[in-house]
Order: sequence, then C-alpha cells, then structure tokens
Amino acid sequence: GQNIDQPTEMTATEGAIVQINCTYQTSGFNGLFWYQQHAGEAPTFLSYNVLDGLEEKGRFSSFLSRSKGYSYLLLKELQMKDSASYLCAVADSNYQLIWGAGTKLIIKP
Amino acid sequence: ETGVTQTPRHLVMGMTNKKSLKCEQHLGHNAMYWYKQSAKKPLELMFVYNFKEQTENNSVPSRFSPECPNSSHLFLHLHTLQPEDSALYLCASSQDLDKIVNEKLFFGSGTQLSVL
Repeated sequence: GQNIDQPTEMTATEGAIVQINCTYQTSGFNGLFWYQQHAGEAPTFLSYNVLDGLEEKGRFSSFLSRSKGYSYLLLKELQMKDSASYLCAVADSNYQLIWGAGTKLIIKP
Repeated sequence: ETGVTQTPRHLVMGMTNKKSLKCEQHLGHNAMYWYKQSAKKPLELMFVYNFKEQTENNSVPSRFSPECPNSSHLFLHLHTLQPEDSALYLCASSQDLDKIVNEKLFFGSGTQLSVL
C-alpha cells in the first residue's frame, strides 16, 4: 500500500530551528508538497520538490531524497506564528496526492 | 485569504437532517475538490470536478452527494449522516487538473461538521 509517515507532534523554542521529517512509500513519484495549516484555517502551500536537493524560501527550506523516500521541512528563526500543522503529500504515478496525517508544531517562548 | 470561500464554517446536524455545504472560488480555476479531514488522519479525497464534470468519486457513501453547477461553485449535499461522518470538510481548487504535478491546491477554511 501507499504510505506517508511524519511525526504526530513536535515542540520547539522561539528563535530556534526545527526539522520536520516525512518518509514515503508510494507507487511512483511525481513530486512532494508541504502545506501549512493553522488551527481552524485553510491549508496553504509552502513548497514543492520533484528533484533531489534543497529548496530554500526565506526562513523555510524543503529537502528531498528520492532514493531514500525522504523529505524534510526546515524552519529557521522560529516565530510564535509558526505554530501550526505541517502536511506532507506525495503525487504518485497517477498524479494522485497521498497525504500524511500532519505534524503539529508547538512553539514555546 | 486563499480565494476559496466555504460556508457555513460550523454545522451541527442530526442524523435525519438534510444540509448542504457550499464552496466558491474566485481564482478562475478549472478543478475543484472535496476533502474530508478527521483528527490525526490524512486528508481523504472525496470528489474531484474538472470543468464542471466529475472525474473522481473515491468510494464515498451515497449519503454524500456533490454538485458542481459551474467552475466557480461546488456543493456537498448531506443526508442521513452518521456520527462517524463528523469531521472538517475542506474544499480546494487548482488551475488545471491535467497539470496536477505542479499544481498547488488552494483550500478553503473548511466546514466543521458535527453529526449528533
């Protein structure tokens, strides 16, 4: 079957760095997405990786290793507003999005 | 503001009620989706519409009935629901279904549904 694994919950300190991991097993691969979802709000797009390597976008970076079936989202200089759930999703060979259950990130002062 | 608006934000209904969820997108997109989000579970794709035509129905029970009168509006009609149907129902849109690989989804804030 197809599966996306990510930690259920993580805690980090304001100003620090946190890395949220995502591992996947899918039938084919056509890209990996990260979305951010604040409580009670819409998920919003953060990043898309289809080639191996690191994509940097301000304080957020996303890394992909297709051979390892692995990605991470790196958040630097954490702010209280970064408290949210982070959703990992992979597009399989049929371009269907397979979703992880999300990682709830709690930022403490 | 993502450009996708869902109403109502919250809905409580009994198992014998009939209600409808509404979604409207102001982005000029051609594809629209209904997702179910339950606590600590992955998003579940329910229905997909492309240019007003339904392209996917992921084994969703018939008590959920979608309607897409045009590319900007999407409805989810609910009847005789079960308590296990309680969840957050998210609507999303994307520019073009055929370009799903690079197409990010724009989500609405969802309708939090409670079935008593």
